[in-house]
Amino acid sequence: DGGITQSPKYLFRKEGQNVTLSCEQNLNHDAMYWYRQDPGQGLRLIYYSQIVNDFQKGDIAEGYSVSREKKESFPLTVTSAQKNPTAFYLCASNVGGGTGTEAFFGQGTRLTVV
Amino acid sequence: GNSVTQMEGPVTLSEEAFLTINCTYTATGYPSLFWYVQYPGEGLQLLLKATKADDKGSNKGFEATYRKETTSFHLEKGSVQVSDSAVYFCALRDNAGNNRKLIWGLGTSLAVNP
Repeated sequence: DGGITQSPKYLFRKEGQNVTLSCEQNLNHDAMYWYRQDPGQGLRLIYYSQIVNDFQKGDIAEGYSVSREKKESFPLTVTSAQKNPTAFYLCASNVGGGTGTEAFFGQGTRLTVV
Repeated sequence: GNSVTQMEGPVTLSEEAFLTINCTYTATGYPSLFWYVQYPGEGLQLLLKATKADDKGSNKGFEATYRKETTSFHLEKGSVQVSDSAVYFCALRDNAGNNRKLIWGLGTSLAVNP
């Protein structure tokens, strides 16, 4: 079945470490997105990519980095520069064009700084 | 710019009560509108969508009508169940121009009591 897979489901990071969250999709979607979700703040866009080898900063990109070397994959690295990384991270994808095309989401990764 | 405003939660209802969650939007073009649902600890799932004015989206007993004159897309259900307890997000996607990001409301938490 087609879908979007995030791993791991839970991730613990020590202060000062970089960690990478995985996001893979087999939907043949051009566009992929990373969101951060904190209680009471809805979804905030970190980075997005509308095509392979291209990506743009979202609203809260500081302290994060991404790559888009393959259409199927859009990993997110949370760097030590991100001062408050504890949150629920969601990856999404859609076809990138056309009217009414919805986004499909992974199950999320909960990152905790210990 | 584009924006989505949802009624604040939490909303608490008894089983079989009528549900309305208000959503209004601001958009420069002719957006597509979406409702997503998030169950605890999971990613978001598309609940329903509408792509043009006067369209009604429906799924699992939920309905929402795209009202251009009032720039609204209110979510309704005639008789809620305990299993409907979740967070509901309204979103829009501007179909004009090259930027096809989704714009999100802050989410409305719904708790349904037996």
